[in-house]
Amino acid sequence: GAGVSQSPSNKVTEKGKDVELRCDPISGHTALYWYRQSLGQGLEFLIYFQGNSAPDKSGLPSDRFSAERTGGSVSTLTIQRTQQEDSAVYLCASSLGQGPGNTIYFGEGSWLTVV
Amino acid sequence: GDSVTQMEGPVTLSEEAFLTINCTYTATGYPSLFWYVQYPGEGLQLLLKATKADDKGSNKGFEATYRKETTSFHLEKGSVQVSDSAVYFCALRGNSGYSTLTFGKGTMLLVSP
Repeated sequence: GAGVSQSPSNKVTEKGKDVELRCDPISGHTALYWYRQSLGQGLEFLIYFQGNSAPDKSGLPSDRFSAERTGGSVSTLTIQRTQQEDSAVYLCASSLGQGPGNTIYFGEGSWLTVV
Repeated sequence: GDSVTQMEGPVTLSEEAFLTINCTYTATGYPSLFWYVQYPGEGLQLLLKATKADDKGSNKGFEATYRKETTSFHLEKGSVQVSDSAVYFCALRGNSGYSTLTFGKGTMLLVSP
């Protein structure tokens, strides 16, 4: 597609429920990133994929968070047993390759509210 | 580890005023430096970048110069417009192997007519 696409754009869920957030990267981009943007915390790195493997999961805040990528394309971020502190905008990004010369492009984000 | 510090906002200016948003960084080696912008209701967009010392990135009237000696990458614009109202993020990315973006906390700019 023309840009990084994320769904849903907005999600309200009850505390304790599981949620799945989807990301469609730019076609042909092998590197995919998830970030979280919350008030007072700025932008936090969560996880990075190169192809279908995740060499860097260092930013996942707890074992309730997991992500996968299939076919070297679509990625899903899953949050189990959501808590109120999980409320944030979850941003997906992609780049053509993993090298530092490759520009990282962001989607518009999925706004998650846990009530 | 790597870190980015940028001035807290909001920065409030009148149209046609001069803008400076300060950004300093801490990193090993020689990172690439970026400014991203987030307009209301939109995603992050790359505004400009610089990949080595003394490089100047520029776009849409905005400029920033990579200053290794002061570890800074301040964003400037000579005459802001109402449409420049947005949140601006300074970021760095290491220049060896794999690396992700490390962001500052963002600075909100509000420009009034």
